[in-house]
Amino acid sequence: KAGVTQTPRYLIKTRGQQVTLSCSPISGHRSVSWYQQTPGQGLQFLFEYFSETQRNKGNFPGRFSGRQFSNSRSEMNVSTLELGDSALYLCASSSGTPNTEAFFGQGTRLTVV
Amino acid sequence: KQEVTQIPAALSVPEGENLVLNCSFTDSAIYNLQWFRQDPGKGLTSLLLIQSSQREQTSGRLNASLDKSSGRSTLYIAASQPGDSATYLCAVYNQAGTALIFGKGTTLSVSS
Repeated sequence: KAGVTQTPRYLIKTRGQQVTLSCSPISGHRSVSWYQQTPGQGLQFLFEYFSETQRNKGNFPGRFSGRQFSNSRSEMNVSTLELGDSALYLCASSSGTPNTEAFFGQGTRLTVV
Repeated sequence: KQEVTQIPAALSVPEGENLVLNCSFTDSAIYNLQWFRQDPGKGLTSLLLIQSSQREQTSGRLNASLDKSSGRSTLYIAASQPGDSATYLCAVYNQAGTALIFGKGTTLSVSS
């Protein structure tokens, strides 16, 4: 069965621009979560969507937003990019029942210059 | 607020050695704990999920234990191989069960 697919794998953007990342969960999974990974902060939770509704949100500024579509695919958007947004963005897929096993994609490496 | 700590941050061992990676958490009221592996620049691969009612879980050469009362989990790797070289992360869910809280990981290097 296909795993979690994230696109694109790599992105280079300029400060002030905006970016959209995409995540397709495992077939049948209804929950998608987003995480930011940086060398200094490690993995930090951004937000989680279940059945097109944001169910939980981490401590990130409003420039970070997301949405989920009826087919469970999710997008994450970052507006007004800053140098500090450079990171590996990871998406996780799960059934949607709380506390169940999460499966991660390969990530999108975002570099802001 | 739940915090997850992993010690040591880095570990180097010769091939064939058995080793233990440690994970501690501050709030013992957890449901599940999950161990992941991450290769450089890649995503996370789920290794083991231990449910709160379990004391341990095994998969091949990997064995993970959970002691909620002491706030600790250990990942035991038997007969280590160079292919085991990676960063190992443990994570617990928040109270709502919808967000994982990660430790900073242990970077393992196994030399042949």
